[in-house]
Amino acid sequence: QKEVEQNSGPLSVPEGAIASLNCTYSDRVSQSFFWYRQYSGKSPELIMSIYSNGDKEDGRFTAQLNKASQYVSLLIRDSQPSDSATYLCAVKYTGGFKTIFGAGTRLFVKA
Amino acid sequence: DAGITQSPRYKITETGRQVTLMCHQTWSHSYMFWYRQDLGHGLRLIYYSAAADITDKGEVPDGYVVSRSKTENFPLTLESATRSQTSVYFCASRLTSGGAFRRDTQYFGPGTRLTVL
Repeated sequence: QKEVEQNSGPLSVPEGAIASLNCTYSDRVSQSFFWYRQYSGKSPELIMSIYSNGDKEDGRFTAQLNKASQYVSLLIRDSQPSDSATYLCAVKYTGGFKTIFGAGTRLFVKA
Repeated sequence: DAGITQSPRYKITETGRQVTLMCHQTWSHSYMFWYRQDLGHGLRLIYYSAAADITDKGEVPDGYVVSRSKTENFPLTLESATRSQTSVYFCASRLTSGGAFRRDTQYFGPGTRLTVL
């Protein structure tokens, strides 16, 4: 089992809809959780970080963390065509040096 | 605020040649990382460094060498390039916490697209 799992997609949503991206991780000793956005041909850029259970909102983005279920999600409200990208989930485990990345979910927002 | 820079941005080389990819960060972050990204594999960690003169292997280190004599630089060398090393290479850095940087967050350079013929 991979340490960080994401549905590869593509996930296609119409403009203005809510896009829901999901991620599961395998190790309970986890500390920090991140969502990165990566446009084609570009490097990953951080859009959200979350460190405790619950929801965290930043503009149109909401990250949700449930450590008991080992689940982290990203909601994008009022999706725009400019949100079309690959979204990488990442987890850093307590005491570890490394951040583990999922393979990413491709999102397409149709105008 | 230059952040992380990588050079060259694009490189074409031939099988068997030695290639060095450069990574420079201006934030004095302790941790630095090298990843390669290939279709179907996502980001795979090649090497990482916790501080100057401290490096360790990641997931796919074979065929690569790193050094870190200064905190700000973390070059990656392909000793004898092979076609399987054709990829996009990303350098990243991380500060544990503090200031404008979010805790445990990695920041990525723009990447180097390497083609080995």
